[in-house]
Amino acid sequence: DAKTTQPTSMDCAEGRAANLPCNHSTISGNEYVYWYRQIHSQGPQYIIHGLKNNETNEMASLIITEDRKSSTLILPHATLRDTAVYYCIVRDGATNKLIFGTGTLLAVQP
Amino acid sequence: DTEVTQTPKHLVMGMTNKKSLKCEQHMGHRAMYWYKQKAKKPPELMFVYSYEKLSINESVPSRFSPECPNSSLLNLHLHALQPEDSALYLCASSDTGSSYNSPLHFGNGTRLTVT
Repeated sequence: DAKTTQPTSMDCAEGRAANLPCNHSTISGNEYVYWYRQIHSQGPQYIIHGLKNNETNEMASLIITEDRKSSTLILPHATLRDTAVYYCIVRDGATNKLIFGTGTLLAVQP
Repeated sequence: DTEVTQTPKHLVMGMTNKKSLKCEQHMGHRAMYWYKQKAKKPPELMFVYSYEKLSINESVPSRFSPECPNSSLLNLHLHALQPEDSALYLCASSDTGSSYNSPLHFGNGTRLTVT
């Protein structure tokens, strides 16, 4: 079963930062948090992942709380092409499985 | 474009047909995955191969038969499917060298319709 809880949907204005929250209160010490997104009719696209520290790459930033029970994905300047379903996933530390939850549908508005 | 290539993009098959889905990657990854995705649902893990050996089968019915002939190729053989098996079938790969922190790279899937 998925170990994360995300809001079903969110809106964001084009050009503004999109902050997508995720709760993972049962995360274990060696389990990574991954973020993927899926644009309609395409395969999931990897965005970023992290264990404890905050991470940043060319697509987004990942902020993980100190107790690791929640995290936030930040898209600094959302565009219309960022409209997608965003999945927050805790990768199972025992089996290495990547199990998707229900995700957040982010709608970027012009 | 993705680095994981799946063919065909679309497939329509009857319940008595036998067909195969193909997946190819040239990133040197040694772990490959099949996922199934129904409309408006998240992807569900079906199979995992590690170093060409089946390591995880998520209790998938035997009408789905995976095969990993070499480190770059992954097939999913289909036989006697049901209409409820209609879905988007996604292939992914990852580098097992870094173990649990290697991201999966997904293809764009094969959209299967069973009539």
